[in-house]
Amino acid sequence: EVQLVESGGGSVQPGGSLRLSCAASGFTFSNYWMHWVRQAPGKGLVWVSRIISDGSVTYYADSVKGRFTISRDNAKNTLYLQMNSLRAEDTAMYYCARSIRGVQNGVKSYWGQGALVTVS
Amino acid sequence: DVVMTQSPLSLPVTLGQPASISCRSSQSLVYSDGNTYLNWFLQRPGQSPRRLIYKVSNRDSGVPDRFSGSGSVTDFTLKISRVEAEDVGVYYCMQGTHWPFTFGPGTKVDVK
Repeated sequence: EVQLVESGGGSVQPGGSLRLSCAASGFTFSNYWMHWVRQAPGKGLVWVSRIISDGSVTYYADSVKGRFTISRDNAKNTLYLQMNSLRAEDTAMYYCARSIRGVQNGVKSYWGQGALVTVS
Repeated sequence: DVVMTQSPLSLPVTLGQPASISCRSSQSLVYSDGNTYLNWFLQRPGQSPRRLIYKVSNRDSGVPDRFSGSGSVTDFTLKISRVEAEDVGVYYCMQGTHWPFTFGPGTKVDVK
């Protein structure tokens, strides 16, 4: 069974830092691009960042570029999001997700349960 | 960035009746490989999003066949042939053709 389990959320003051983790199981983690998507309270979904399967290429939304860093440890089957210089507008539920783009036919998309980050 | 719009933003439905959601993009979603990366997600209350449809019209495994997607280039539609109680939630379209990926604002579907 595929599982994505986020951890590391919490409350932090503006300007502070947090590191989110996403533990993957039930599939060959090193074969997949991974994403972070966030959702502010009562708002819609916003894509944040992605990393390719070997970790060598990353991409960020402009709103987090220069402040957030996505990384992965394929030996530990874990995805990370290092968040620095946090702002109030970064307050959101952060989801890690796999295969959201739908490139390969028959490959399902999976999302974690989310990690709540509150900046205040 | 590609702007995704959806209509309606709120859709009260009668169980057993059909429903339809429109999604439009500010640019063509045809990618250089010939595919159109337009997906539909459902987020039920209190749950994580779940993908229903990928590349316009392909249903994910386990998704009931009452859900169907159609459209091309910039105009897309999600249809539910007969709404069931478990279909209540917020539906999002998402484009995966251009970076950054972008989502529509969401359409809240609830029972009349």
